[in-house]
Amino acid sequence: KAGVTQTPRYLIKTRGQQVTLSCSPISGHRSVSWYQQTPGQGLQFLFEYFSETQRNKGNFPGRFSGRQFSNSRSEMNVSTLELGDSALYLCASSLRLAAENEQFFGPGTRLTVL
Amino acid sequence: GQQLNQSPQSMFIQEGEDVSMNCTSSSIFNTWLWYKQDPGEGPVLLIALYKAGELTSNGRLTAQFGITRKDSFLNISASIPSDVGIYFCAGQISNFGNEKLTFGTGTRLTIIP
Repeated sequence: KAGVTQTPRYLIKTRGQQVTLSCSPISGHRSVSWYQQTPGQGLQFLFEYFSETQRNKGNFPGRFSGRQFSNSRSEMNVSTLELGDSALYLCASSLRLAAENEQFFGPGTRLTVL
Repeated sequence: GQQLNQSPQSMFIQEGEDVSMNCTSSSIFNTWLWYKQDPGEGPVLLIALYKAGELTSNGRLTAQFGITRKDSFLNISASIPSDVGIYFCAGQISNFGNEKLTFGTGTRLTIIP
């Protein structure tokens, strides 16, 4: 069974631009969670989507948004990029809600904002 | 954002040595998880703990859920080169509608040749 895939793996943007990251969960998994990983802040939870609905949200500004499609694939969007948004963005999928099931992480998308 | 205190931040050991790391929180958790992250990869779940006092093993790895529910420990016995990586603890409290994971700051394990 294929694992969680994320595209693109690497991305370079400039301040003020917007970016969309994609995550394809493991087949049959209905929950997708997004995390931001930085050396200073570690792994921070962004949001979780389940059955196309946002179920949980972390403490990030409204510039960070996401959505989930009927096939459980998820996208994360960051608008008006800031230098501090440079990070590894990880998504994780689970069979049902992340609180009830093991999460499997993808390899991440490394975003660099110049 | 909230983080768990994980120590030590880094460890330099020789192959064959045992390793211990721990995670503490000011809040109680219902679940403690331990992950390992290799360079260029996402974290991989090593051990999950669901009950205070629980001691669980996975091969050479042993983890414990602290009695106070505010801490957890991970031990690795007889370390081998593939143990190199960053280890994260994560805690979860199952308040309905707020079940997100809170991650520790990580322990970087390096094996000295």
